Parts: sequence; structure tokens; C-alpha cells
Amino acid sequence: AQKITQTQPGMFVQEKEAVTLDCTYDTSDQSYGLFWYKQPSSGEMIFLIYQGSYDEQNATEGRYSLNFQKARKSANLVISASQLGDSAMYFCAMREGRGAQKLVFGQGTRLTINP
Amino acid sequence: DVKVTQSSRYLVKRTGEKVFLECVQDMDHENMFWYRQDPGLGLRLIYFSYDVKMKEKGDIPEGYSVSREKKERFSLILESASTNQTSMYLCASSFLGLEHEQYFGPGTRLTVT
Repeated sequence: AQKITQTQPGMFVQEKEAVTLDCTYDTSDQSYGLFWYKQPSSGEMIFLIYQGSYDEQNATEGRYSLNFQKARKSANLVISASQLGDSAMYFCAMREGRGAQKLVFGQGTRLTINP
Repeated sequence: DVKVTQSSRYLVKRTGEKVFLECVQDMDHENMFWYRQDPGLGLRLIYFSYDVKMKEKGDIPEGYSVSREKKERFSLILESASTNQTSMYLCASSFLGLEHEQYFGPGTRLTVT
């Protein structure tokens, strides 16, 4: 079974609109971490935001927030007031278990912001 | 600023050649990782290392080996390159611990002809 599922291969959004990128995960561990990364066309992977499984508040970093619904096992990324520079691939990833070091990535969502 | 560097941005090799991809990080991270990225498949872990001379297989280790002789350097080796190893290779590093993000290098686009 897929550990991380991103169901939206591509999304098109008008500039200045908010956008939600979906991510669902599968784990039986109580302790895990969820990450979102951005990959522009230049290829570098940029860390955006982190949510721990025991965090009670949704994580926020500037225009990025993570809508964490633990019971539904979802960790959607919300970008407010989208900008042209937000056009990129976005990856959701999970690290599960206290001793784990590796990340498991979803297949990604390609976001295109239209002017 | 954390910096992860990779030895080449683009590399073209012939089938059967031995290929070395090198990665260096300057933040004293314990963990280092090698991924390959292919369209529609996301990032897949090849190998990782949590300490000098320690290594663990990831999801797709076949056809690859790694070496970590110094904490800051992690090498990926393709013993005999094949065309199905044409891909983007990404190196990453991080501190130990659940909450620490991985920092990525710029990637090496390897073409095997």
C-alpha cells in the first residue's frame, strides 16, 4: 500500500487565490512527522513546512499552512494568496517511528499559477 | 546556510561504465541520503547512512552501492551503468531525529547511453 498518496497530478489556479494540495498517509506508528517540499523547474528541493503527529496546532510558515486531520490521516498543504513563483512540483513526505531517519515521498502535484 | 553540493549537474556515461556520484554537506549532519527521481514516481530512496561507514538499503538499492568514509561525504556508485539508471539523482542530509527536515543538493542528471 502507498504510504503517501497525492491524488492531484496537476492543478491550475489563478494568481492570488488560495490553493489546497491534498496528501493522505498510511501508518500504524503513533509517532511520525509530515513534511512538504517544493521543487521549482530548476530542480532543487525546498523544505516548506513540518507537522509532528503529536502537535496539537496546525503548522504555519508564512503563506503556507498545513491542515492536519489526524483521524482522517490527511496533511493538506494550503497556500494563501498564490503567486506566480509558486508554480512548481509539490511533494508530501512522511518519516514514521521515533528511530526512523528516512522520508517516504508521495508522487507529487504539479501546481501552475495563472496570471 | 546549509549547503549540500553534488559533484556534477549533468553526466553522460556509457553502458557498463563505473559511475561515481559524490555528495558533500557542510552542516555536520549525521544522516545522508541518495534518491533517484523519475517522472510520475516521485523520489525513491536508494541508500542512506546515519554515521560514517554505516549504510542501509532503501527501497531500490539494486545496481547501486555507497561509501561513507567521512561524515561530510557520501558517494553513490553505479558498478556497471545501465540505461535504466538514466535518472535525476538527489543527495540529501539531515540531523538525526523525527522532526528534522532533509536538505537537498541541486541534483545530478545522469544519462546512460
